[in-house]
Amino acid sequence: TQLLEQSPQFLSIQEGENLTVYCNSSSVFSSLQWYRQEPGEGPVLLVTVVTGGEVKKLKRLTFQFGDARKDSSLHITAAQTGDTGLYLCLGVHRQLTFGSGTQLTVLP
Amino acid sequence: NAGVTQTPKFQVLKTGQSMTLQCAQDMNHNSMYWYRQDPGMGLRLIYYSASEGTTDKGEVPNGYNVSRLNKREFSLRLESAAPSQTSVYFCASSEVLATALTGELFFGEGSRLTVL
Repeated sequence: TQLLEQSPQFLSIQEGENLTVYCNSSSVFSSLQWYRQEPGEGPVLLVTVVTGGEVKKLKRLTFQFGDARKDSSLHITAAQTGDTGLYLCLGVHRQLTFGSGTQLTVLP
Repeated sequence: NAGVTQTPKFQVLKTGQSMTLQCAQDMNHNSMYWYRQDPGMGLRLIYYSASEGTTDKGEVPNGYNVSRLNKREFSLRLESAAPSQTSVYFCASSEVLATALTGELFFGEGSRLTVL
């Protein structure tokens, strides 16, 4: 069974601050995805990273896949209230493994 | 664009009752999935269907059954509900089996089930 640990579990910050969310495993993944989920809705894909060391930027969000393809990070610059939500990583390799999620609250 | 539609959105059951959660997708996707989401535990796969006519167990299949009725529809049945099955259930679909390198999962809005 592949495990994917996400940290922190909860994060509450002020608007304008920066933050990083981590997703770690002892297993190697073919690819890793990040999803965001808002209350009452299903998760929505933000990005897929495939290559070890890959960095992808989506406006103020920067995603990185570890060189060994065992870990990933999501960095948000100058957080906005609209970034509030549950962030989930999903490791892909023969099976799909979701992390436990990071609940982000951005306060005005 | 409907995407993935789940019904019902809310349901309260008594222990031992049975019910079926319905899911339909209009994206002509081959693969469909049922997940449950519990606080602090992320999403756990119950069953999936790689293609029409096939179903396979996921991580937590006990107490559930599924039917891939056709390419569009994938239902989840609880034969004898237990309080431990209180959860939010999500149906998802993907063009190909999501274990393919970059397969994206499209989720429904969820069905909140409470078993008393």
